[in-house]
Amino acid sequence: KAGVTQTPRYLIKTRGQQVTLSCSPISGHRSVSWYQQTPGQGLQFLFEYFSETQRNKGNFPGRFSGRQFSNSRSEMNVSTLELGDSALYLCASSFRTSGSSYNEQFFGPGTRLTVL
Amino acid sequence: GDSVTQMEGPVTLSEEAFLTINCTYTATGYPSLFWYVQYPGEGLQLLLKATKADDKGSNKGFEATYRKETTSFHLEKGSVQVSDSAVYFCALRWDTGRRALTFGSGTRLQVQP
Repeated sequence: KAGVTQTPRYLIKTRGQQVTLSCSPISGHRSVSWYQQTPGQGLQFLFEYFSETQRNKGNFPGRFSGRQFSNSRSEMNVSTLELGDSALYLCASSFRTSGSSYNEQFFGPGTRLTVL
Repeated sequence: GDSVTQMEGPVTLSEEAFLTINCTYTATGYPSLFWYVQYPGEGLQLLLKATKADDKGSNKGFEATYRKETTSFHLEKGSVQVSDSAVYFCALRWDTGRRALTFGSGTRLQVQP
């Protein structure tokens, strides 16, 4: 079974530009979550999508947005990039259900974004 | 709000030494607890988990016990190998409502031959 894939793996942008990152979950997984990893702030939750709807959102400005398609693939977008947006962006998928059962999150390798 | 506190790194050990990485959490109630590992240039891999108090998670020689009395989930391994060198993250998550993982700051482990 293929794992979570993220594209591109590396990206260099300049301040003010916008960027779109893509995540393909494990086949059959309908939940996709995004996390930002930086040396200063560590790992922080951005948002979760399930069945094409944003279910949860972390404490990030509106410049960070996302969406999920009918095939469960997800994209996140960052507009008006700032130097502080340089980070490793991780995507995780899970077989989420509406019940209270535990569903493991499987992480992709991440996209390394550098803002110059 | 919820938070996870891990011991500062790096932790440097010789091969076959005993490993302990401390982790404590602050939360109202009893979330599920996890240890993730991140090898250089890679994403996170789930190492072990415990979904209720007194549970012991184990995998690849690593163990951690969910202690609700001390709100702790310390990671242990009896004999580390060079290949265990990585960054280890402790995390908590609720199984209903907001299901996002809340991570600790990570602890880098360096094992020397």
